[in-house]
Amino acid sequence: GENVEQHPSTLSVQEGDSAVIKCTYSDSASNYFPWYKQELGKGPQLIIDIRSNVGEKKDQRIAVTLNKTAKHFSLHITETQPEDSAVYFCAGYNTDKLIFGTGTRLQVFP
Amino acid sequence: DSGVTQTPKHLITATGQRVTLRCSPRSGDLSVYWYQQSLDQGLQFLIQYYNGEERAKGNILERFSAQQFPDLHSELNLSSLELGDSALYFCASSVEAVAYNEQFFGPGTRLTVL
Repeated sequence: GENVEQHPSTLSVQEGDSAVIKCTYSDSASNYFPWYKQELGKGPQLIIDIRSNVGEKKDQRIAVTLNKTAKHFSLHITETQPEDSAVYFCAGYNTDKLIFGTGTRLQVFP
Repeated sequence: DSGVTQTPKHLITATGQRVTLRCSPRSGDLSVYWYQQSLDQGLQFLIQYYNGEERAKGNILERFSAQQFPDLHSELNLSSLELGDSALYFCASSVEAVAYNEQFFGPGTRLTVL
């Protein structure tokens, strides 16, 4: 079955810097890759997603890139702000379900 | 606020007991998903229902069961509870039957088994 690995597990950046979180997946049949943000005490919330027919997608300060050959995808956050501090989960879709990575705790220091 | 509601917010019980977690999806959503979030294993998919029928299954234990009712709310039943079942349980909902669309998560139920 699908396996999604996520790195790093924790990431600390200075406000204004960029943050990059990387995920790899095992099943080449996976075709949908969402990123969810989970703030303290809340449920995860979708922030961006990408499907396998595109290589990159942007939404303001957030972008996701997908390399199908290497089977990895990444989340890029530019000009980080303290409110970006949260746990970020990547996921891959395979055989009717989402398989989530183990999460990255991002801390943005003012 | 995602529009998904879960009750109770917190639940403390003893080993061997049985509990029921409840989820109401967003208005108009037909799919309900259940996830378990523990400290060391992230978000684990348990089961999905679509319009009352089981749609997909993850690594759900035999001690766990779920159902979706005609009004589309769902319940997750956990029995013969063990210490290792302590976790956050999330419900999510979506319009479509397939999981490759945005899922809206509720605030979760924190289960503590003593």
